[in-house]
Amino acid sequence: EVQLVESGGGLVKPGGSLRLSCAVSGLTFTNAWMTWVRQAPGKGLEWVGRIKSNPDGGTTDYAAPVKDRFTISRDDSKNTLYLQMNSLKIEDTAVYYCTHIRFSTIYEWGQGTLVTVSS
Amino acid sequence: EIVLTQSPVTLSLSPGERATLSCRASQSVGTYLAWYQQKPGQAPRLLIYDASNRATGIPTRFSGSGSGTDFTLTISSLEPEDFAVYYCHQCSDWPPFTFGPGTKVDIK
Repeated sequence: EVQLVESGGGLVKPGGSLRLSCAVSGLTFTNAWMTWVRQAPGKGLEWVGRIKSNPDGGTTDYAAPVKDRFTISRDDSKNTLYLQMNSLKIEDTAVYYCTHIRFSTIYEWGQGTLVTVSS
Repeated sequence: EIVLTQSPVTLSLSPGERATLSCRASQSVGTYLAWYQQKPGQAPRLLIYDASNRATGIPTRFSGSGSGTDFTLTISSLEPEDFAVYYCHQCSDWPPFTFGPGTKVDIK
C-alpha cells in the first residue's frame, strides 16, 4: 500500500520560510514522479509544482504563483520529498498535499499538512 | 493553460437518485481527464482516470465518459457516503496541472 505522510506545516509570519517533508513508502520512490498540490481554506485544488524522478532527469516545474519562491527537491536515499517555501505570503495559507503521479494522473495523496501564514 | 469548468456548482439529491456531473475543458484533452472525490477534512481520492477507467476499489456505481472537451461523471444510485465534492483534473497538457472548481453533491 502506498503511503505519503507530510510533515512540517505550521504557523509562519509573512516573509518567512518553511520546509515541508513527505515520507513515501509502498512504491519505488527512485522512479516516482511527485507533485505538491495545495488547497486554501474552503477553496479548490491548486497545483504547486512537480519533480520528475532522477532517472528521468529530476527536473522541476512550478505554478506561476510560487515560481522563484518555492523549491521542490527529493532525497531518494530517504524516500522523502521536500517543499522549501520562502518569502511566504498570506495567500499561501493552505493545506499542502504530497501526491504521486502515475501516467500523468495523480493516483495517491497524502493526508496533507496545514500551513498558515499570518502576522 | 487549459481551463476546466464544472457544472453544476451544487447538486442537491436524495440517496438512491442518479447524479450527473459535468466537466468542460477550454481545449481538447483527449481522454486525459480524471475525477476525484473529496470529503470534509480528507484528502481527495482518485475515482476515474483516463476519462472512463475506475480506479482500484471504486464501486461500479461510479462511471465516467467523454472525450475532447466534454466529460461526465455519473453516480448511478447515490449512497450516503457519496455526498462530497467532486473535482475533475486534466493531465493532457501539463505543466501546469489544472483542476476544475468542483461540484458539491449534497443531500436534498
